[in-house]
Amino acid sequence: GENVEQHPSTLSVQEGDSAVIKCTYSDSASNYFPWYKQELGKRPQLIIDIRSNVGEKKDQRIAVTLNKTAKHFSLHITETQPEDSAVYFCAASRRAGGFYFGSGTKLNVKP
Amino acid sequence: DTGVSQDPRHKITKRGQNVTFRCDPISEHNRLYWYRQTLGQGPEFLTYFQNEAQLEKSRLLSDRFSAERPKGSFSTLEIQRTEQGDSAMYLCASSSDFREQFFGPGTRLTVL
Repeated sequence: GENVEQHPSTLSVQEGDSAVIKCTYSDSASNYFPWYKQELGKRPQLIIDIRSNVGEKKDQRIAVTLNKTAKHFSLHITETQPEDSAVYFCAASRRAGGFYFGSGTKLNVKP
Repeated sequence: DTGVSQDPRHKITKRGQNVTFRCDPISEHNRLYWYRQTLGQGPEFLTYFQNEAQLEKSRLLSDRFSAERPKGSFSTLEIQRTEQGDSAMYLCASSSDFREQFFGPGTRLTVL
């Protein structure tokens, strides 16, 4: 069935370094790609999103790129800080509503 | 708090019992979604309402699961004859369009 693959499952970086998380989707009807951050015991919260007619979007230290032909999209976090430590989920819109979510990347930023 | 709320936050039940969860979306949102999240995994889509109409239902949702949104506001998710495999976090989300979904805090279900 349709799904979203996310890599890596865990990522450990030194404070100040960059972090990159990659996702691949399979549903050609997907046209909206949000990224959610989930801290331990809390609800997922949107951090950035991109629509299929845009190749890149940036918001301060966070950027997302989309390659619709290859069905790849990526999250880039620059100048990482300890408070960036969390689980990050990519998602792709479903044709009839809702999202397919990736399996998550646990990011650990070491001070 | 004007965000999405869910009740109860935690539910422990014995196998075979029925449970019902409630979700109150952000008031002006006409779209409501239910997801299930197990430890170490991303949320899995269960079902979707636009106003009171249930427009999509995942194959994950067996006949033991039913969801309603009778007046297009709050929604309930009922699980009949619970099984240990139903243990998970049940998340509700709402949105005003097809884009950003705002999530509730979830209901954690434990089936003994």
